[in-house]
Amino acid sequence: KNQVEQSPQSLIILEGKNCTLQCNYTVSPFSNLRWYKQDTGRGPVSLTIMTFSENTKSNGRYTATLDADTKQSSLHITASQLSDSASYICVVSDRGSTLGRLYFGRGTQLTVWP
Amino acid sequence: EADIYQTPRYLVIGTGKKITLECSQTMGHDKMYWYQQDPGMELHLIHYSYGVNSTEKGDLSSESTVSRIRTEHFPLTLESARPSHTSQYLCASGGEGGGTEAFFGQGTRLTVV
Repeated sequence: KNQVEQSPQSLIILEGKNCTLQCNYTVSPFSNLRWYKQDTGRGPVSLTIMTFSENTKSNGRYTATLDADTKQSSLHITASQLSDSASYICVVSDRGSTLGRLYFGRGTQLTVWP
Repeated sequence: EADIYQTPRYLVIGTGKKITLECSQTMGHDKMYWYQQDPGMELHLIHYSYGVNSTEKGDLSSESTVSRIRTEHFPLTLESARPSHTSQYLCASGGEGGGTEAFFGQGTRLTVV
């Protein structure tokens, strides 16, 4: 069964600190992995997309890593800001169908305190 | 900024009413999706479309229906709303695979009373 598991479920950090969010998946055959940021009551916004051959991708203070062998990804946030408070969702796409199905994790709810 | 729009953003409606949630995109994407998301939970695919006149049901059983008469427009309709339909509905387009982007609308928060 294709699944995406994220940890931790929720995280509270102080402003200026770094944090790392984890994503494990069993989706096969793998196409790509995306990290999205979703503010409360809004639609998800893409942070990074990585294909099989990419190990690391950065977008400002966000750095995603991918280990396709162990089927793990992480999202590292550097020097957190209050505006980083949101749900971070790991999404894995398969290539077993013409749709390119998206499998969603439940997200990690990050809260940044001043 | 993604060019995909959902209206209304918020809707409170009585049981038994018929409602249509609108979704439009100006990016020319063939693939469009509707997801349902309860608070703190993952997104569940309820409908998708490969293009004009193509619609399919997703993983999560839904009493809603969709239509795709034009590439840019993918409305979702509930013929008779019930309290169990209370949820957030997210529309997306793109995500063709191979690393391409899937863009999401802002969502419609539906409350059926």
